Amino acid sequence: QVQLVQSGAEVKKPGASVKVSCKASGYTFTTYAIHWVRQAPGQRLEWLGWINADNGDTKYSQKFQGRVTITRDTSASTAYMELISLRSEDTAVYYCARAMIVVAHSEFDPWGQGTLVTVSS
Amino acid sequence: SYVLTQPPSVSVAPGKTARITCGGNNIGSKSVHWYQQRPGQAPVLVIYYDSDRPSGIPERFSGSNSGNTATLTISRVEAGDEADYYCQVWDRSNDPWVFGGGTKLTVL
Repeated sequence: QVQLVQSGAEVKKPGASVKVSCKASGYTFTTYAIHWVRQAPGQRLEWLGWINADNGDTKYSQKFQGRVTITRDTSASTAYMELISLRSEDTAVYYCARAMIVVAHSEFDPWGQGTLVTVSS
Repeated sequence: SYVLTQPPSVSVAPGKTARITCGGNNIGSKSVHWYQQRPGQAPVLVIYYDSDRPSGIPERFSGSNSGNTATLTISRVEAGDEADYYCQVWDRSNDPWVFGGGTKLTVL
């Protein structure tokens, strides 16, 4: 079955960076896009950006432009999300999710299990 | 950027019908997706393109979208439906994928 499996929890100090992975299985990786969404404690879901797993094109939320980078390794069927200059407000669960490439308003399905990133001194 | 508004909470007795709304400017012209998120778990798609159900989602879940309001309806509510529900749309803006604030469904 289609599955996205993310890397484990991370604890980082303010100013550091974090890189979270999302390994896809059960489908051809390059025929879909991967989105990244985060959820701070008690907050709504927040979209960070996405990558076209076929050609590597990316688009980022204005809020995170310059701090987030999304990449992929097609040979490993894995997408990555790196967030730099971490601050306490970046403490959240980070999710990856699959969506169609050619349909901009496609649904996100499925989602990874989530990766808790804690930023604390 | 586009804003989606959901009620923070909805309560319903078992066996009754729950309706969760998602408000947005002319949302009826957009495609709305709905996700269920149980505590400590990742979101799960329950309705896509306003009213389509993914395989494995019970027929008790349905959706509609018109004017300025989209609605997720859960019929014959069960205890297992207790969760947070989020609506989502795509908008032609710099932050195109937008989520509502979420609604906590409580089964009394």
